[in-house]
Amino acid sequence: ETGVTQTPRHLVMGMTNKKSLKCEQHLGHNAMYWYKQSAKKPLELMFVYSLEERVENNSVPSRFSPECPNSSHLFLHLHTLQPEDSALYLCASSQDWGNEQFFGPGTRLTVL
Amino acid sequence: AQSVTQLGSHVSVSEGALVLLRCNYSSSVPPYLFWYVQYPNQGLQLLLKYTSAATLVKGINGFEAEFKKSETSFHLTKPSAHMSDAAEYFCAVSSFGDMRFGAGTRLTVKP
Repeated sequence: ETGVTQTPRHLVMGMTNKKSLKCEQHLGHNAMYWYKQSAKKPLELMFVYSLEERVENNSVPSRFSPECPNSSHLFLHLHTLQPEDSALYLCASSQDWGNEQFFGPGTRLTVL
Repeated sequence: AQSVTQLGSHVSVSEGALVLLRCNYSSSVPPYLFWYVQYPNQGLQLLLKYTSAATLVKGINGFEAEFKKSETSFHLTKPSAHMSDAAEYFCAVSSFGDMRFGAGTRLTVKP
């Protein structure tokens, strides 16, 4: 695998489910990001990790919980989501925080 | 705080025509500027970046952008549109670790 990979690519879940999104980067980068992309809305930065430490959390509801166990992996744990959380969730990485970002293909999440 | 404004959420051109996508930025320090492209059901892909070297930046797929400090602009151009250029384009500005994206411009190419 090369670049940034995300699994699953598609996820359908009920409001009471618990699921996790996984992101892996094979670029040797030190920073990783979660974004939410909803239809007709700008890209929303959710979380930033630099050297495995969270450096930014943009007022994201607690039903989204990130985890960065090492510099290559980033997870987004989901629980008791709402239908308005349906969106494309994009992961990205960069050499250092603020450099050009490389994006994964995204996970299309649908909350029923 | 820095920000990016993309003028026009939709741009439509004919195949072979000039593509011009507009981006204006606001930053209190010399910024890094980027253009990304997103095809349907895919992530964002870097087209080109400006990092305080040459003001005219060439990217992939025949795109280029010019940094104009006096106009705080970083417009994206391509001399001749191709059907495969149809996608959404995002301008982004970064300084001191903080990257902000514009709302995006959807480019449609008509045959």
